Amino acid sequence: AQSVAQPEDQVNVAEGNPLTVKCTYSVSGNPYLFWYVQYPNRGLQFLLKYITGDNLVKGSYGFEAEFNKSQTSFHLKKPSALVSDSALYFCAVRDYAGNNRKLIWGLGTSLAVNP
Amino acid sequence: ETGVTQSPTHLIKTRGQQVTLRCSSQSGHNTVSWYQQALGQGPQFIFQYYREEENGRGNFPPRFSGLQFPNYSSELNVNALELDDSALYLCASSLDSTGPHEQFFGPGTRLTVL
Repeated sequence: AQSVAQPEDQVNVAEGNPLTVKCTYSVSGNPYLFWYVQYPNRGLQFLLKYITGDNLVKGSYGFEAEFNKSQTSFHLKKPSALVSDSALYFCAVRDYAGNNRKLIWGLGTSLAVNP
Repeated sequence: ETGVTQSPTHLIKTRGQQVTLRCSSQSGHNTVSWYQQALGQGPQFIFQYYREEENGRGNFPPRFSGLQFPNYSSELNVNALELDDSALYLCASSLDSTGPHEQFFGPGTRLTVL
């Protein structure tokens, strides 16, 4: 069965420090992987996605993510965190080989960037 | 380019009532997905519509139903509301129903069932 795990409920970093939000996945075939961000009382905003090719994917707002097939991970990273990055981050996966059209979502990681 | 819009933004209903939530997809998108997001949880997939047909469904009972119209806007209907239906309901549109297309989300409808 497809699944996504975000092992950390909360991540705290100081402004200007690098940040990592972790995601691991399990799918039967090759994955499409996505990161979304949700600000309070808002819908989800797309950050970036991995389809195939280069394992390092660059996205919006200076975020990037590294796909690691052997570790089945897709960690979100940013070299220098901003206070405005504080939000809820969701990882999602879809198995492109199957007929399953739904995205499977992690439970989310709350990122707090401290000034 | 108009983004995904949802109405209403907030709604309060009582147990046993019925509710209809509406979503307008982003221009050019033919696929709409609906999600339920309980407080502190990730989105839970309800169903997806592609070209006016339901083509995927999550683990939700039949009292959750939907429609997609020729202009690709969509409705989510929930009958016999239960207290546990209180949640943020998110609509997302995408270019197609499969493939690597990202979904674009509306701001959500906050449903409270008393």
